[in-house]
Amino acid sequence: NAGVTQTPKFQVLKTGQSMTLQCAQDMNHNSMYWYRQDPGMGLRLIYYSASEGTTDKGEVPNGYNVSRLNKREFSLRLESAAPSQTSVYFCASSEYGRQPQHFGDGTRLSIL
Amino acid sequence: AQSVTQPDIHITVSEGASLELRCNYSYGATPYLFWYVQSPGQGLQLLLKYFSGDTLVQGIKGFEAEFKRSQSSFNLRKPSVHWSDAAEYFCAVVPRSNDYKLSFGAGTTVTVRA
Repeated sequence: NAGVTQTPKFQVLKTGQSMTLQCAQDMNHNSMYWYRQDPGMGLRLIYYSASEGTTDKGEVPNGYNVSRLNKREFSLRLESAAPSQTSVYFCASSEYGRQPQHFGDGTRLSIL
Repeated sequence: AQSVTQPDIHITVSEGASLELRCNYSYGATPYLFWYVQSPGQGLQLLLKYFSGDTLVQGIKGFEAEFKRSQSSFNLRKPSVHWSDAAEYFCAVVPRSNDYKLSFGAGTTVTVRA
């Protein structure tokens, strides 16, 4: 009963480095999401994937890319990390056309 | 502009007392409405949701929320809190026209004192 699994849980990067955050779900959900959480701002949607093979921008997509590798996996890539991308990143999933139902435990990313 | 507001940043409540968390939204048409809870160091868990119908919605963990169209509000309540209810609570809304783009309020942190 893993649900949504995110790796890594913690990461420290230097400015300009690249990094891929991994997310996998085992609930056969169609839709997957990436959010970032910053103090006092709630969660903001970075990208989402309504179904396998599709991805769309959310509220704050700049500086990020995503790949929906298959139905289970949805990765988030930072090509050139910036200090403003220091945040906690959450992956989520849901049935097709529904709002996020299950969240991972987050990846805490610090960029120096 | 569309927005969702949680006016209270932090609430402290005694164990056994009642709890009410406020949420107001500003959307052209009534959106879908949600409450999530986040325990320290963990992801979010969906407590309850409102799509249509009965304006009093029951959720998990003994929570309920009431939708009031006239006030553009969706307040969360619990009659008697337990120490385990200490967490951060997020109200969220999504427009009916695009039900992927969920927008979250800034959150309310609840502290429970013995």
